[in-house]
Amino acid sequence: AQSVAQPEDQVNVAEGNPLTVKCTYSVSGNPYLFWYVQYPNRGLQFLLKYITGDNLVKGSYGFEAEFNKSQTSFHLKKPSALVSDSALYFCKGGYNKLIFGAGTRLAVHP
Amino acid sequence: EAQVTQNPRYLITVTGKKLTVTCSQNMNHEYMSWYRQDPGLGLRQIYYSMNVEVTDKGDVPEGYKVSRKEKRNFPLILESPSPNQTSLYFCASSLTPRDRFLYGYTFGSGTRLTVV
Repeated sequence: AQSVAQPEDQVNVAEGNPLTVKCTYSVSGNPYLFWYVQYPNRGLQFLLKYITGDNLVKGSYGFEAEFNKSQTSFHLKKPSALVSDSALYFCKGGYNKLIFGAGTRLAVHP
Repeated sequence: EAQVTQNPRYLITVTGKKLTVTCSQNMNHEYMSWYRQDPGLGLRQIYYSMNVEVTDKGDVPEGYKVSRKEKRNFPLILESPSPNQTSLYFCASSLTPRDRFLYGYTFGSGTRLTVV
């Protein structure tokens, strides 16, 4: 069975520091992987995706994610966090079916 | 503006009182889906529709119904709501079923339902 895991319920980062939000997957076949962001009282917004090609994917708002096949991971990263990045982040992945992770709340402190 | 519109945004209801949450998209999308979001569980798929008149159960369909009589609309029906259906609900769509793998979804803004 396919699965997507976000091992951290919450990540706390100081503004200006790099941030990482973790996602691991278990998929038979080449996975489709996505990151979405959810701001309060809003729907999910697409950030970036990996289908094939370069392992480092760049997306919206300065975010990027690295596909690591050997570690079955697709961590979301940003070199310098902003307070406005504080939100709920969801990883989604799969091969013949797409599954959401449980979500990680990112809190960026001034 | 291309969008997925859900109504209502907030709803408090009593156990057993039938309700409908509407979802409408103006992008001529074939694929539509309903999710519920619960803390620690992420988003779980309730029902989906590949096209008009074609609907299928997702992972948590119990207690819900849907219909797809027109391409743009995909209402979620709770015939007899119970407190365990208190949740945040999202409608999502993609141009084709395949596109949800290639480009992801467009999401509505959500409906927060409380059943007392």
